Amino acid sequence: QQPVQSPQAVILREGEDAVINCSSSKALYSVHWYRQKHGEAPVFLMILLKGGEQKGHEKISASFNEKKQQSSLYLTASQLSYSGTYFCGTETTGTASKLTFGTGTRLQVTL
Amino acid sequence: EPEVTQTPSHQVTQMGQEVILRCVPISNHLYFYWYRQILGQKVEFLVSFYNNEISEKSEIFDDQFSVERPDGSNFTLKIRSTKLEDSAMYFCASMATASAYNSPLHFGNGTRLTVT
Repeated sequence: QQPVQSPQAVILREGEDAVINCSSSKALYSVHWYRQKHGEAPVFLMILLKGGEQKGHEKISASFNEKKQQSSLYLTASQLSYSGTYFCGTETTGTASKLTFGTGTRLQVTL
Repeated sequence: EPEVTQTPSHQVTQMGQEVILRCVPISNHLYFYWYRQILGQKVEFLVSFYNNEISEKSEIFDDQFSVERPDGSNFTLKIRSTKLEDSAMYFCASMATASAYNSPLHFGNGTRLTVT
């Protein structure tokens, strides 16, 4: 039931790009993306809705393939501030009753 | 910007004791949640609460857990008899709308529970 994310961890140099994938075994109504810095709460990045795609930030965007039950988060020209653990959250019922988070991807951006 | 507040930030308790974790969701939000995160691991859903009742709960949320919204502003999680494995960061979250699946979760800063 829990979405699976890949890769588990990635190290980038500043300015490099990364793709984080989220895959679900269930049909999805929406996919949320959050970033969590060490010792802090998860912070919302963006939502992708069934039938659509939403771009949340200039250099952070995402796609949602409903048929494949997958979403990907794209980080371009990474900055040091992008470091953290990224979680996808999936919603499978069309209501707000439950958001299930993925396994997480730890991203480290270095100089 | 309105935020979700949680108290205390850190709670240490002995095994078998009861603890109450407190949260004040954003005032006009309708859906409330508790999640937990064992150190360095995934964020696990515990329970969602809407219209003064539990909307959904996970397998983790057994009889030792309960939630309450006693006064229209606070949202509490009670663990009746804590176990060592309850040690985790507990996050409260709220969402603005009930029907839309396109609303973000707003998380509080968490309560770190340590059971000794």
